[in-house]
Amino acid sequence: RKEVEQDPGPFNVPEGATVAFNCTYSNSASQSFFWYRQDCRKEPKLLMSVYSSGNEDGRFTAQLNRASQYISLLIRDSKLSDSATYLCVVNVQASKIIFGSGTRLSIRP
Amino acid sequence: ETGVTQSPTHLIKTRGQQVTLRCSSQSGHNTVSWYQQALGQGPQFIFQYYREEENGRGNFPPRFSGLQFPNYSSELNVNALELDDSALYLCASSQGQQYGYTFGSGTRLTVV
Repeated sequence: RKEVEQDPGPFNVPEGATVAFNCTYSNSASQSFFWYRQDCRKEPKLLMSVYSSGNEDGRFTAQLNRASQYISLLIRDSKLSDSATYLCVVNVQASKIIFGSGTRLSIRP
Repeated sequence: ETGVTQSPTHLIKTRGQQVTLRCSSQSGHNTVSWYQQALGQGPQFIFQYYREEENGRGNFPPRFSGLQFPNYSSELNVNALELDDSALYLCASSQGQQYGYTFGSGTRLTVV
């Protein structure tokens, strides 16, 4: 089993739709969780950290479920500019960082 | 505030050669990590340095080695290059794991 798993997609949704991604992790001792966004042929950029209580940043909501060992990202009112690959990242130990393989999102007009 | 910078941006090497990639971390960041990203895949963690010591390593062979300098810049060295080493190599710096990482734009290495 992979340490961090994501649905690779692609998700193809219309502008204005709500879309959600999940990411599961295998190590229950994992400490920090993040969502990154990566555009084609660019470096990953930090989208948001994921806190135990859940957190929101504008149209983006991230949640952590420690009991079921998954994190989620919800994007509301999606824009064309949201088209990208979304990577979940887990610090499985203090100094070991694991990326999921990414979920491709395409927003159509 | 200067971000993470990597050099060179592109590199072509022959199988069996050695390569050194460089990374300058963002100001105030004392932790640097390196990743290998093949096309269509997520970044794979190579190792991490904190205050000049390696403090974490992924599943990469010993021919992948690194250094971190007192100014927190870093190098990734790969010996005995193989064709499968062709990838985008990303460096990221952080001021602590709870803050996430800032990535450089990467070095695209092609081994022929």
